[in-house]
Parts: sequence; C-alpha cells; structure tokens
Amino acid sequence: GQNIDQPTEMTATEGAIVQINCTYQTSGFNGLFWYQQHAGEAPTFLSYNVLDGLEEKGRFSSFLSRSKGYSYLLLKELQMKDSASYLCAVRESWGAGNMLTFGGGTRLMVKP
Amino acid sequence: DVKVTQSSRYLVKRTGEKVFLECVQDMDHENMFWYRQDPGLGLRLIYFSYDVKMKEKGDIPEGYSVSREKKERFSLILESASTNQTSMYLCASSSQGGLAYNEQFFGPGTRLTVL
Repeated sequence: GQNIDQPTEMTATEGAIVQINCTYQTSGFNGLFWYQQHAGEAPTFLSYNVLDGLEEKGRFSSFLSRSKGYSYLLLKELQMKDSASYLCAVRESWGAGNMLTFGGGTRLMVKP
Repeated sequence: DVKVTQSSRYLVKRTGEKVFLECVQDMDHENMFWYRQDPGLGLRLIYFSYDVKMKEKGDIPEGYSVSREKKERFSLILESASTNQTSMYLCASSSQGGLAYNEQFFGPGTRLTVL
C-alpha cells in the first residue's frame, strides 16, 4: 500500500513564495505528480518528477528526493488566482493502468 | 486539447435507485479511471480500465460497478444508491506506455447527492 502526506491548509501573502511539502511511503516508485484544483473544478496537471532534483516551469517548481520519499511544490510571486488545492500523487509502477495514489491535498489561501 | 466530459454536473437521487454516471474522452486514451473526492479524504480510486471490456478494482470498489464497452466511454454504476455515496465523482483518462509521463486528464466532475 501507499501513504502520502501533505499539509491540509496553508496561507500565504500575494507576491510571496510558498513551499508545499509531500512525503510518501510506497513499495515501488515510478513518478510523482502535482495537480492544481480550484474549488468546484477538475484537477489540472502541474508537474511531474521521476528523477531527483528540481523541475522548473515558470513560477512553479517541483523538487523530488527519492531516497527521502519527499517532494515539494514551490510557488513564486504568488497571485490571488493561485488560491486552490494542490494535490500530490504517486505512481507506484509502470504498466497497464498507469494508476496514481493521491494525497489528501493542500488548500492554499493567498491573501492580499 | 484533451477533453473528458461527464454526463451531469449535479445529480440528486433517492436511496435504492440505480445510478449511471457516464464519462467520455476524445483522445483515444487506453486508460480510464473513476474517483470519488470527499473533504479530508482526497481523491480515492474506485475502478479503472486499461482497455475495452477490461476493469480493475481500485481502493474502494464496494457498492460500485463499471462498464467499458467502447474505448472512449467508461461508465460508473451505483447498483443501489446509499446516502454514504453522496460525493463528488471525477473521471479521468490517460495514455499508456511510451516515454511520456502520461498524466491523467480529468473531467469536470459530477456532484451526486443521495437522499
């Protein structure tokens, strides 16, 4: 089985930087995904890490350490529209189904 | 753009009714998934399918069944709806194999209320 933990809620100020952590324990590992979900909407893909290190994509970056079972999503220059839930998901193995296991999500509130 | 559509955004049903939730994707994806999303519990996998007529149980299959007769369509069936099945239901699809990371694309969700 898998266990994926992330903080339930975070608050940050517009223009600041925020880091959302995700820790996981899995019997296998074949990639970690971050999704963004605005209230009442579908999750949308943000980033993917399968090797250790930092992946940067504009204002968003995602980091992975496989040996520590740890990832974070870094959001820079926060904007009000970044208020959303951020979901960490792990793919345990590669093969038929391409299944993901999701954490509970982190609700980020950006304040002016 | 990948499009995943679900038959209803909001649905209200009575206890004991048979409920069908339909999902259609237009990108020829092999994999399709049904999740439910509840506050504090995150997304939990109910069933998935990696090919036509193939289905596999996810983490919480009890009380649900699925059907995949065509590649683009994946149906979730609640044989006898109960109040504890009140939830947001999300469908997703993804491609399979190759070197791409094959992220899942989600539909807009169906908020089901069982009275």
